[in-house]
Amino acid sequence: RKEVEQDPGPFNVPEGATVAFNCTYSNSASQSFFWYRQDCRKEPKLLMSVYSSGNEDGRFTAQLNRASQYISLLIRDSKLSDSATYLCVVSRSSNDYKLSFGAGTTVTVRA
Amino acid sequence: EAQVTQNPRYLITVTGKKLTVTCSQNMNHEYMSWYRQDPGLGLRQIYYSMNVEVTDKGDVPEGYKVSRKEKRNFPLILESPSPNQTSLYFCASSWGTSETDTQYFGPGTRLTVL
Repeated sequence: RKEVEQDPGPFNVPEGATVAFNCTYSNSASQSFFWYRQDCRKEPKLLMSVYSSGNEDGRFTAQLNRASQYISLLIRDSKLSDSATYLCVVSRSSNDYKLSFGAGTTVTVRA
Repeated sequence: EAQVTQNPRYLITVTGKKLTVTCSQNMNHEYMSWYRQDPGLGLRQIYYSMNVEVTDKGDVPEGYKVSRKEKRNFPLILESPSPNQTSLYFCASSWGTSETDTQYFGPGTRLTVL
């Protein structure tokens, strides 16, 4: 089983729609969680960290469910510029500094 | 400007010819790492370094070497490249791996081994 799994999509949504997707992780000792955005094989860039209580950054909301070992990302009022691949990233544990990346979920927002 | 630079950006080489991909950061970050990205597999960590002279294997270290003699530089060395090392490579740096640590990625190096 992969350490981090994501639905590859693609999620094709109209502008203004809400889109949400999850990422599951296998290591229950995982400590830190992130969503990164990657455009067309360019370098990934941090979208947001995911905190235990959930957090919001503008139109983006991230949630963490430790019991079921998944994190989620919700995008409200989608813009054309939100079209990208969203990478789920998990750090292994407090004394293991490796990072595990999901293969990414592709979102395409259409006019 | 805070940045991570990688060189070269594109490289075509032949099997067995040693090569080095350089990575440099100007943010005084302690944590640096190398990833390869292949279709359908996402980014996989090759090696990482927590500080000068401290390196450790990631998930796919076979066929690669790294060194961290200075804080700012973290070169990736392929002693004898093979076609299965054809990939897109990213270097990244950060203060660490906690939830408050942003990974800053370089622009990527597209390597083809013939």
